[in-house]
Amino acid sequence: GENVEQHPSTLSVQEGDSAVIKCTYSDSASNYFPWYKQELGKGPQLIIDIRSNVGEKKDQRIAVTLNKTAKHFSLHITETQPEDSAVYFCAASQAGTALIFGKGTTLSVSS
Amino acid sequence: ETGVTQTPRHLVMGMTNKKSLKCEQHLGHNAMYWYKQSAKKPLELMFVYSLEERVENNSVPSRFSPECPNSSHLFLHLHTLQPEDSALYLCASSQVGGTGPLHFGNGTRLTVT
Repeated sequence: GENVEQHPSTLSVQEGDSAVIKCTYSDSASNYFPWYKQELGKGPQLIIDIRSNVGEKKDQRIAVTLNKTAKHFSLHITETQPEDSAVYFCAASQAGTALIFGKGTTLSVSS
Repeated sequence: ETGVTQTPRHLVMGMTNKKSLKCEQHLGHNAMYWYKQSAKKPLELMFVYSLEERVENNSVPSRFSPECPNSSHLFLHLHTLQPEDSALYLCASSQVGGTGPLHFGNGTRLTVT
């Protein structure tokens, strides 16, 4: 079955800096890769996703890149703000299967 | 405001109690899920219901019993739990068929004493 590895487990940046979180997956059949943000006391919320027919997707300060050959994908947050502080999860799946999640990255943005 | 509502938000129960967690989705989805979230571990998929039929049960102990009476409601019945079952239990929903995002509720924080 699918296995998703996520790094780093914790990340501290200064406000205004960029943050990058990386994930690798094992099943080459996976074709859907979402990223979730979880704030304290809340459930994970989808922030961006990418499908395997696309190499990059951007939404304002957030971007995701996908390298199918190497089986890894990354989340990029530019111009970080204190409200970006949260736990971020990557996940992978293929059609008809449930999402498999990484262990999460705790991002701390200090002002 | 999430379209997936979970109650209660917090639950403390003894090992001999019987309790139920409730989830309701208002998104018109037809697949629902239970996940367990423990510290330092990935989100663990417990159960999947697709079109009100259970399609996946990831080796979850029988002290956890799911119920899906319709596509909008999902329950997790709990009995004779162990302290290691203390965790955040998350409900999610999605559309069946193909890949797509999950929409999560805010979870029930369960403590087993």
